[in-house]
Amino acid sequence: EADIYQTPRYLVIGTGKKITLECSQTMGHDKMYWYQQDPGMELHLIHYSYGVNSTEKGDLSSESTVSRIRTEHFPLTLESARPSHTSQYLCASSDGTSGAHGLTQYFGPGTRLLVL
Amino acid sequence: GESVGLHLPTLSVQEGDNSIINCAYSNSASDYFIWYKQESGKGPQFIIDIRSNMDKRQGQRVTVLLNKTVKHLSLQIAATQPGDSAVYFCAERLTSGTYKYIFGTGTRLKVLA
Repeated sequence: EADIYQTPRYLVIGTGKKITLECSQTMGHDKMYWYQQDPGMELHLIHYSYGVNSTEKGDLSSESTVSRIRTEHFPLTLESARPSHTSQYLCASSDGTSGAHGLTQYFGPGTRLLVL
Repeated sequence: GESVGLHLPTLSVQEGDNSIINCAYSNSASDYFIWYKQESGKGPQFIIDIRSNMDKRQGQRVTVLLNKTVKHLSLQIAATQPGDSAVYFCAERLTSGTYKYIFGTGTRLKVLA
């Protein structure tokens, strides 16, 4: 069982609000990721980080931003939420070493966001 | 662009039968593959992985087969149980040295009693 946590699990918010989705892992993993997933659909990478103070945009354009000030913490922020941001957001982390399962990404439970 | 796809969006199997979920990938340089299981309302859960220098790997009730010639990956679940009902994704790491993965659309497995 992976030790990666996301809060809140569910969020309903009005258009224009600023929101921050929290993600924390206690495994000491350097690599962390944010994915966006619509129901039953594939995961799209929106941000990733290879370590503290390292963040990159993913393959899917996103209006969100991320920060990585501590190894264990990788929050995602939407400055002004819109209905088009309604989706599930999944956080993941990996060790990135060559050992057994070092390349595996472990996922948190996700945050379901509904923007009205 | 590069893609990972699944042949069957929905697979229904009788409880106790074996299940086979397929995945096609398009990048011959991909060197690492993962199968995930995602239950409703949860994040993807690691099932099994395989590196490109292998063609088969077995876990508990699951086996992953990799055919690099035709760029095909499959997940076999033995004696399928109701708890196996979920959406299954395959993911590929494009090349060695990157830590980015591409996920397919997913196959929903329904286990019939």
